[in-house]
Amino acid sequence: DADVTQTPRNRITKTGKRIMLECSQTKGHDRMYWYRQDPGLGLRLIYYSFDVKDINKGEISDGYSVSRQAQAKFSLSLESAIPNQTALYFCATSGGSNTEAFFGQGTRLTVV
Amino acid sequence: DAKTTQPTSMDCAEGRAANLPCNHSTISGNEYVYWYRQIHSQGPQYIIHGLKNNETNEMASLIITEDRKSSTLILPHATLRDTAVYYCIVRVAGVYNTDKLIFGTGTRLQVFP
Repeated sequence: DADVTQTPRNRITKTGKRIMLECSQTKGHDRMYWYRQDPGLGLRLIYYSFDVKDINKGEISDGYSVSRQAQAKFSLSLESAIPNQTALYFCATSGGSNTEAFFGQGTRLTVV
Repeated sequence: DAKTTQPTSMDCAEGRAANLPCNHSTISGNEYVYWYRQIHSQGPQYIIHGLKNNETNEMASLIITEDRKSSTLILPHATLRDTAVYYCIVRVAGVYNTDKLIFGTGTRLQVFP
């Protein structure tokens, strides 16, 4: 089983719909992150969380919200999806700044 | 957060060493240098990290200059499977709520036969 699991792996949704991307991890890490990646570009940080009571905005949080339901689960929501949110989304988890971060396999989201 | 600068792309012949540079001139004393790579659209894969000393593992070596303002990732014997985008990241150590793990645009390494 993967250390970091993202669901769904692919999703097509319509403009204006609410959608949730889920992430779960089996590493026992406190730190979790959500990123988006547009074609040909690097990853940009959307939100990050250091424990279940901690939520922080990243570089591009507008139009997104998150929920840290448990140490192992971190969900990303698009309240009203728009076409320019079409991207590849990655979840990551880390035990600390002197340890490697583990990434999920990504969710490819298309908003039409 | 310290910024990193990397060349957009590099080529390397298969079997030769690939040396990928990174500039992080504004790095602070408590920031680690990390390297990740991304093959196609897969999730980024950890390669190596270091603080002050040079580091080596089964994948690569990391050479950090004495002033810590730049580093080089070395893949000693590049293979076609090393073709990927390589990201150099600086990451603050030990301070709660500031470990953001910010990616730049990376270096696209093309290994050719």
